[in-house]
Amino acid sequence: GAGVSQSPSNKVTEKGKDVELRCDPISGHTALYWYRQRLGQGLEFLIYFQGNSAPDKSGLPSDRFSAERTGESVSTLTIQRTQQEDSAVYLCASSPTALYEKLFFGSGTQLSVL
Amino acid sequence: QQQVKQSPQSLIVQKGGISIINCAYENTAFDYFPWYQQFPGKGPALLIAIRPDVSEKKEGRFTISFNKSAKQFSLHIMDSQPGDSATYFCAASSRRALTFGSGTRLQVQP
Repeated sequence: GAGVSQSPSNKVTEKGKDVELRCDPISGHTALYWYRQRLGQGLEFLIYFQGNSAPDKSGLPSDRFSAERTGESVSTLTIQRTQQEDSAVYLCASSPTALYEKLFFGSGTQLSVL
Repeated sequence: QQQVKQSPQSLIVQKGGISIINCAYENTAFDYFPWYQQFPGKGPALLIAIRPDVSEKKEGRFTISFNKSAKQFSLHIMDSQPGDSATYFCAASSRRALTFGSGTRLQVQP
């Protein structure tokens, strides 16, 4: 079966432009997470979706960041008016239940803001 | 505020040696402590995890030691192999998204 799929794998954009990152979770997984990984650093929690519940947006660093998820399928992370400090790998993960025991990560989107 | 502190930042071990990575946490509400392994260009993958009701968990060459009173836990990799060369992240959770440590880059020399 397919794992978590993220697209694009690499994105280069100019400062001030908007970008949209996509995540296709493993089929049947109800929970979906977005994390940010800056070069040489740990994973920074951004947002968490669980089924039809209101998402946990407590990790979003500013109002330039937003995310949506359609039911229990695809999610998109949007960054408006990108800044150079937004450059990072954006990782998506899904898990089969509301429990967080095992997260399955995608390979990430490498975002470079010039 | 960094809730999970991980050390060392990098580690070089000879093949066959023991690799030890340490983590400390602050939030006493954490009740689940996994370790993730990440190879270059890939997302992290769950390696082993422990809950605070036990002090040790072993899976093959990988062991987690947990000290609840000290709020510390560590990963031990026995008989380290070059294929273990990767970045290792500890994490902790209290029924929400995982909080990750900053990572340890392990290099096992042949």
